[in-house]
Amino acid sequence: AQSVTQLDSQVPVFEEAPVELRCNYSSSVSVYLFWYVQYPNQGLQLLLKYLSGSTLVKGINGFEAEFNKSQTSFHLRKPSVHISDTAEYFCAVSLQGAQKLVFGQGTRLTINP
Amino acid sequence: GAGVSQSPSNKVTEKGKDVELRCDPISGHTALYWYRQSLGQGLEFLIYFQGNSAPDKSGLPSDRFSAERTGGSVSTLTIQRTQQEDSAVYLCASSLGVTLHFGNGTRLTVT
Repeated sequence: AQSVTQLDSQVPVFEEAPVELRCNYSSSVSVYLFWYVQYPNQGLQLLLKYLSGSTLVKGINGFEAEFNKSQTSFHLRKPSVHISDTAEYFCAVSLQGAQKLVFGQGTRLTINP
Repeated sequence: GAGVSQSPSNKVTEKGKDVELRCDPISGHTALYWYRQSLGQGLEFLIYFQGNSAPDKSGLPSDRFSAERTGGSVSTLTIQRTQQEDSAVYLCASSLGVTLHFGNGTRLTVT
C-alpha cells in the first residue's frame, strides 16, 4: 500500500522569504501526486498535481512542485510567500488508475511579518 | 457552480448517542469520499463510493461507523453510540476524475 510522509509538521517563515514543504511517498507502483491546501475553517482545495510528463508542476498562487522518482519525493516550493499563504498543506498520493487518495499528516505554514 | 455541501457544519452530541452527517456532492460526480481529520492526525480515509460499485469500506474504524449513498448522489455517514474519540472534523469530497473537491466539513464534538 502507498503511504506519504510530510517531514515537517510546522514551518514558520518570514513574509517574502522562500519556502519548501517536504513530501516523500512510498509505493511499489506508479503513482499520481497532489498538494492540497486548507485555509482556516475551510475544506481542502487543490494546489497542483502530477500525473505524468514534465516533473516540474506549477500550481495556483505561485506554488510549484517537482516530482523526483529516484528520491520518491514531491516537495512544494514558493519563491516568495505572503501572509495569505498561512494555511495547512497536505501532500497526497494515489495509485495510477485508482482514485482513492492517501494523505500525509499535513504541514502548517505560518508566515510572520 | 455549487460545490460540495456538508451539513450540519457543527454537531455537539452526548456520548452514546447516534449522529448522521450529510454530504451533497457536486452534481454529476461519480465518486464520493469520506475522510476524518483529527488534531495532529492528518486526513484519515474512511469510505469511498464509485458509481454503482460496492463501496470501499476499508477505512471505517469500527462497526459503529457506516455510510450510504442514495441514488448515486447524497451520502450519509452514521456513527452509532458515539465515543469521545470520534470527535473530529468529517470531510466529504466528490470527484469525476483524479481531483477531489472537498466540502467544508462537519465538526463533531462528543461530550
